[in-house]
Amino acid sequence: DAGVTQSPTHLIKTRGQQVTLRCSPKSGHDTVSWYQQALGQGPQFIFQYYEEEERQRGNFPDRFSGHQFPNYSSELNVNALLLGDSALYLCASSLLRLAGADTQYFGPGTRLTVL
Amino acid sequence: GQQLNQSPQSMFIQEGEDVSMNCTSSSIFNTWLWYKQDPGEGPVLLIALYKAGELTSNGRLTAQFGITRKDSFLNISASIPSDVGIYFCAGPSTYSGNTPLVFGKGTRLSVIA
Repeated sequence: DAGVTQSPTHLIKTRGQQVTLRCSPKSGHDTVSWYQQALGQGPQFIFQYYEEEERQRGNFPDRFSGHQFPNYSSELNVNALLLGDSALYLCASSLLRLAGADTQYFGPGTRLTVL
Repeated sequence: GQQLNQSPQSMFIQEGEDVSMNCTSSSIFNTWLWYKQDPGEGPVLLIALYKAGELTSNGRLTAQFGITRKDSFLNISASIPSDVGIYFCAGPSTYSGNTPLVFGKGTRLSVIA
């Protein structure tokens, strides 16, 4: 049973560029959440997708957008990159009908460096 | 917004020693979660707590849900080198299902053999 997978593993971009990160949820899961983890910090919630729609959103600017596909995989897009966007981006998948907070499984993350 | 404060920020201990770390919140949580993150990996759930006063073990790990519902602690007994990593406490941001998680800043554990 494959867990949560993310691609790419590492990415280097320059300021002003755009980036797309990808996530495939754990088999059987239908909900994908994205988190940003800056160096030395805990993960911070960006947004959550279910049934191809953004269901909840954290305190992140509109430069951060996402998409969920019919197969439940998801993309995170960041436009007009800033140096402060450098972070580990984590994807977590879950099954919406399971209401417990302990049901999110995290992927290994994508390390984004903005120069 | 909700904030989780973890202490200590980092710990250096000898192999075999016991470890204790805690997490406090400015608001009440109805679930407390403890995660471990290894370098280059995502957080992995260690223990989940659901009731005030609950004490739960997972091997050498023991965690408790504080009576006030505003704190939790994690103990690791007889530490070994593979315990090295960052330990995060987390909780749901709302009471609704499948809610986003709020994380502390983590406690970095180093074990000296």
